[in-house]
Parts: sequence; structure tokens; C-alpha cells
Amino acid sequence: GENVEQHPSTLSVQEGDSAVIKCTYSDSASNYFPWYKQELGKGPQLIIDIRSNVGEKKDQRIAVTLNKTAKHFSLHITETQPEDSAVYFCAAEALISNFGNEKLTFGTGTRLTIIP
Amino acid sequence: DVKVTQSSRYLVKRTGEKVFLECVQDMDHENMFWYRQDPGLGLRLIYFSYDVKMKEKGDIPEGYSVSREKKERFSLILESASTNQTSMYLCASRTFLRGTFYEQYFGPGTRLTVT
Repeated sequence: GENVEQHPSTLSVQEGDSAVIKCTYSDSASNYFPWYKQELGKGPQLIIDIRSNVGEKKDQRIAVTLNKTAKHFSLHITETQPEDSAVYFCAAEALISNFGNEKLTFGTGTRLTIIP
Repeated sequence: DVKVTQSSRYLVKRTGEKVFLECVQDMDHENMFWYRQDPGLGLRLIYFSYDVKMKEKGDIPEGYSVSREKKERFSLILESASTNQTSMYLCASRTFLRGTFYEQYFGPGTRLTVT
């Protein structure tokens, strides 16, 4: 089955600086890579995703890059703000059937702290 | 807005008790999932259901069972709770269209303590 590794487990960044979180995956069939943000006391929420036919995707201050050859993908947050403090999870999934019985495999999470 | 609700935010049970965790979604989603979240281990899939009465084991199904009798409701059952099942439990749902990925929507979680 799929194995997703995520680094670092904790990250502290000065407000205004950039943050980068990296993930690797093992299953070459994986073709969908979402990132979820979990704020304190809440469930995770999707912030950006990328499909395997795309190398990079941006949404305002957030970007994700994908290297299928190396099987790794990264989340980049620029101009960090205090509200970016949260736990971030990467995930991978392979769409291989027409029955909807695929599943996401999550990384172990990164606790990002923005220092004012 | 999609809403996924879980029956309790906090639950304390004794070892050996049968525990029911309920999850309800209001967006007619086909897929529903139960995860447990532990520090340093991320989100691990316990069971999922891709349609009513359909279920599949996730990565850590031992000690758990599930029930999906109606499309909107997915229940997680701990037949005989043990202390190593103390954890945060998260329910999620998503729609499915053939050949397409969709976002998973998570509930707020149930923090279960087994003493």
C-alpha cells in the first residue's frame, strides 16, 4: 500500500518569512495530492490540491509543487501570517477504479508556528 | 455549506464498554470515512464506506466495526473499549463522480478517553 512521509514534524517561522513542508510517497500509481490544514479544536480542511498532470499550482500565498519522477511534493507558504499557525497534513491517493473505493493516505503532519 | 457532525466532542468510557461514535453528513455524499488521530502518527484510516451498506477496512481496523444503514450516517463501534483506543476520532465524507477526485470534509472530532 501507499506510504507517505512528511517533514519536518515541527516548523517555526518568523512572521513574513516563507515556510516549506515536504512529503514523499511510495506508490507510483498515486495521482492526487491534497494538503489539509487543521486549526486547534477543528477538523482538517482542504487548502490546496494538485493532480499528477500538473507540476505546480498556486493560490494566493500558497503553492504546491509535484515531482512525479522523484515521488515528492511540497507545500510553500509565502509571507506567513499568525493565522497560518496550524497543523498541516499532506496526502496521496490513486484513482484506479470507477467505484469510489479509493482512499487517501495521510502524512504524519507538520505543526507550523508563526512567530510574531 | 457541507456539514459533518459528530455525536460528541468529548467522551469518557470504561475499559470493556461498547462505544458508539456517530457521524452525520448533510450533503448526500457517497463516501464516508473514520480516522483516528494520534500525536506523531497523523491521520490513520480505520474504516470507510463508499456507499450505503458497503464498507472496507482501512489501515487499522482491529478492535473496530462500522455500520452504514443510511447514506447520511456512518457509525464507528468499539465492541470492547481498551485503553489503547484512547484517541481523537475524526469522521469525513466526500462525494464521488467516476474518474474525479473530490475534497474530504471533516467533522470536528470526538476525543475519546478509555479509563
